[in-house]
Amino acid sequence: NAGVTQTPKFRILKIGQSMTLQCTQDMNHNYMYWYRQDPGMGLKLIYYSVGAGITDKGEVPNGYNVSRSTTEDFPLRLELAAPSQTSVYFCASRMTGRYGYTFGSGTRLTVV
Amino acid sequence: AQTVTQSQPEMSVQEAETVTLSCTYDTSESDYYLFWYKQPPSRQMILVIRQEAYKQQNATENRFSVNFQKAAKSFSLKISDSQLGDAAMYFCAYRSDDNDMRFGAGTRLTVKP
Repeated sequence: NAGVTQTPKFRILKIGQSMTLQCTQDMNHNYMYWYRQDPGMGLKLIYYSVGAGITDKGEVPNGYNVSRSTTEDFPLRLELAAPSQTSVYFCASRMTGRYGYTFGSGTRLTVV
Repeated sequence: AQTVTQSQPEMSVQEAETVTLSCTYDTSESDYYLFWYKQPPSRQMILVIRQEAYKQQNATENRFSVNFQKAAKSFSLKISDSQLGDAAMYFCAYRSDDNDMRFGAGTRLTVKP
């Protein structure tokens, strides 16, 4: 049981480049989330999904896009990378109900 | 909007001693869930303990326990018999019903040998 798998673990992008952060979970969780964690800070919600085909914006969605074509996958797309997007990105999932999140191991992204 | 406040950016404790990390939250909901997550240097987010607001009894997980004061909207974490492996960032988090989770800014815990 792999849980939540994020790839890549590290990435350096140049300003203006694009990339997709991958997130896959094998627990059949309906809810999936993308958070970013800036240095010394808590986590801020970028996008979330309550099920396949349904996505919605969180607190800091600008500069990002998501899709949820299957229950398992929830990729995060960065278009035209900017230095302000330098951060650690976490994907998480949970079941319906009182449960907490299961987190992936994070992706450290640097935009130079 | 729900907010979570951790007023202690850093805390330190002597090995084998007890430390309490503070957390307050703001909500108008009556039913919700509260969590403490640990983030070691590996950056993995690890669930430490969970509390459901409708339960009066404070949650306990081995050396970790909470003091949940619903009226005061307070949710502190007590770590007993602190170990070197407890050194990490600790995040308090709030979630109501089917909404997303809100996190505090974190408390960095140092354990001194």
